[in-house]
Amino acid sequence: EAQVTQNPRYLITVTGKKLTVTCSQNMNHEYMSWYRQDPGLGLRQIYYSMNVEVTDKGDVPEGYKVSRKEKRNFPLILESPSPNQTSLYFCASSFGGRSTDTQYFGPGTRLTVL
Amino acid sequence: GQNIDQPTEMTATEGAIVQINCTYQTSGFNGLFWYQQHAGEAPTFLSYNVLDGLEEKGRFSSFLSRSKGYSYLLLKELQMKDSASYLCAVPGNNRKLIWGLGTSLGVNP
Repeated sequence: EAQVTQNPRYLITVTGKKLTVTCSQNMNHEYMSWYRQDPGLGLRQIYYSMNVEVTDKGDVPEGYKVSRKEKRNFPLILESPSPNQTSLYFCASSFGGRSTDTQYFGPGTRLTVL
Repeated sequence: GQNIDQPTEMTATEGAIVQINCTYQTSGFNGLFWYQQHAGEAPTFLSYNVLDGLEEKGRFSSFLSRSKGYSYLLLKELQMKDSASYLCAVPGNNRKLIWGLGTSLGVNP
């Protein structure tokens, strides 16, 4: 089944404790992206990747890191999480890098930082 | 600038027809997306319009008027499972999508 997977689905952590949210897609998509979604603010892009070893900042990259060592994986790293990073996170992928390509989303990771 | 406006909330009755509007402002136009998002779940693709007019997909149809910067999503024969948020999005600069804040639709029995 073609899909985007994320782990963990739910995470409660404390300020300053490094964490990684994994994202994997099995559709051989070139483009991958991370979003956060907050009430009243909608979907905001954190980072995106056009291909392996190519990443770029989205609209709200502060406090996050990403890497793209393999085409299928695009982990999101929070080196020192803070409470303002409490949010619902989505990974997404699309076939090419055009903004007109349909994006396929993972199931989401609900993160709470205490 | 680039901007999308959608109503925040709408309610309708099971079996009815509802129209969810979206107006947009972009520098250059490359189509418009509609996504559906159930509470706490991932957005899923509904439609992509590039040309003016109405495109029908079963109970869901999407309309576009490029001259007016306007689109709507039409849901017919509403079902309880249609209760969700409907997101309008347009391609922006730098390979990004500009997302609306979504319209939360509640369907009452």
